[in-house]
Amino acid sequence: DAGVTQSPTHLIKTRGQHVTLRCSPISGHKSVSWYQQVLGQGPQFIFQYYEKEERGRGNFPDRFSARQFPNYSSELNVNALLLGDSALYLCASSLAGYSGNTIYFGEGSWLTVV
Amino acid sequence: GNSVTQMEGPVTLSEEAFLTINCTYTATGYPSLFWYVQYPGEGLQLLLKATKADDKGSNKGFEATYRKETTSFHLEKGSVQVSDSAVYFCALTDPIQGAQKLVFGQGTRLTINP
Repeated sequence: DAGVTQSPTHLIKTRGQHVTLRCSPISGHKSVSWYQQVLGQGPQFIFQYYEKEERGRGNFPDRFSARQFPNYSSELNVNALLLGDSALYLCASSLAGYSGNTIYFGEGSWLTVV
Repeated sequence: GNSVTQMEGPVTLSEEAFLTINCTYTATGYPSLFWYVQYPGEGLQLLLKATKADDKGSNKGFEATYRKETTSFHLEKGSVQVSDSAVYFCALTDPIQGAQKLVFGQGTRLTINP
């Protein structure tokens, strides 16, 4: 079975631009979460979506937004990119999105802002 | 909110050595605890988990026991291999506002020399 898949795997953007990252969860999983991992640090929670509704949001500015589609795939959008947004963006899925459900991560999308 | 403190790295060992990576946590309630591993250039892979006190998670020769009395979840392996070289992250669930959120430690880089 396919795991969590993300695209693109690598991309380079210029300051001020916009980026869209995409994620497909494991088949049957209804919860998708997004994390940002800056080089040398642990991942930081950005959003969780379950059944197309935002269930939680981390301490990130409004430039970050996301949505979940009827097929449970998800997009993360970041506007007005800053150099500090350069990071690995990880998508994760779980079966029902409750604490205790195992969370599975994708390979990530490496974003470089220049 | 909940938090995790991990043993600082990097850690360098010889093949077949005994490994311990310390992890302590601060939490309200009864979080689930996880160890994730990240190989170079890749996303996070779940290594093991424990969902209640005194549970022992194990996988691929790695073990960790959920110790509520010492708020710890130390990772151990009896005989490490070169292929175990990676960054290891301790994490716990932080069910803020009903969201399924993982809080990660800063990671411990492990290098195993032949």
